[in-house]
Amino acid sequence: QSALTQPASVSGSPGQSITISCTGTSSDVGGYNYVSWYQQHPGKAPKLMIYDVSNRPSGVSNRFSGSKSGNTASLTISGLQAEDEADYYCSSYISSSTWVFGGGTKLTVL
Amino acid sequence: QVQLVESGGGLVKPGGSLRLSCAASGFTFSDYYMSWIRQAPGKGLEWVSYISASGGAIYYADSVKGRFTISRDNAKNSLYLQMNSLRAEDTAVYYCARGGRTTFNYWGQGTLVTASS
Repeated sequence: QSALTQPASVSGSPGQSITISCTGTSSDVGGYNYVSWYQQHPGKAPKLMIYDVSNRPSGVSNRFSGSKSGNTASLTISGLQAEDEADYYCSSYISSSTWVFGGGTKLTVL
Repeated sequence: QVQLVESGGGLVKPGGSLRLSCAASGFTFSDYYMSWIRQAPGKGLEWVSYISASGGAIYYADSVKGRFTISRDNAKNSLYLQMNSLRAEDTAVYYCARGGRTTFNYWGQGTLVTASS
């Protein structure tokens, strides 16, 4: 199973909005609503930010939102803040009862 | 609060074995799927395996199938990963995570496994 496709890097200025895409196939992203997004700061464990395409866990800022269209899921961060600078990973359930992650996107806040 | 604490990582020669453990607290362990996910140095995340709440359903990534075995002891609130025939490419930080049915909602801090001669 190949990794989901994410841009290697994105950047934005404080206060701006950015969107990170996650492209898969009809066997993963397009076939299930089990897409999640994780934030990982250097040397730290990943933290769940979005699950089931667009749901936010308790405690996650409403500046983070998720969506999906066809085989591509997206994470949008509005009102960028310095602490949002991190690596972001998407994941999706696959038809073979397994999971796949995206290659990761490094977000730089300028 | 949910806590997941991994242990058992270390340096092992290629072809060797290692057993990782994950001690869970702050939730009813026997109610949840549990997973192992790894991250090679400087690389992205890779799902390794998950086990259902009862242990009756187990799945592995192709890269570890036949070499790694996931198990759990609900009486001890513990998750395990037996890793045999280790290869250099298994070198990674191994994370224990709660979930595996729809998402991975809590992660431990990870334990480093290094397979090198």
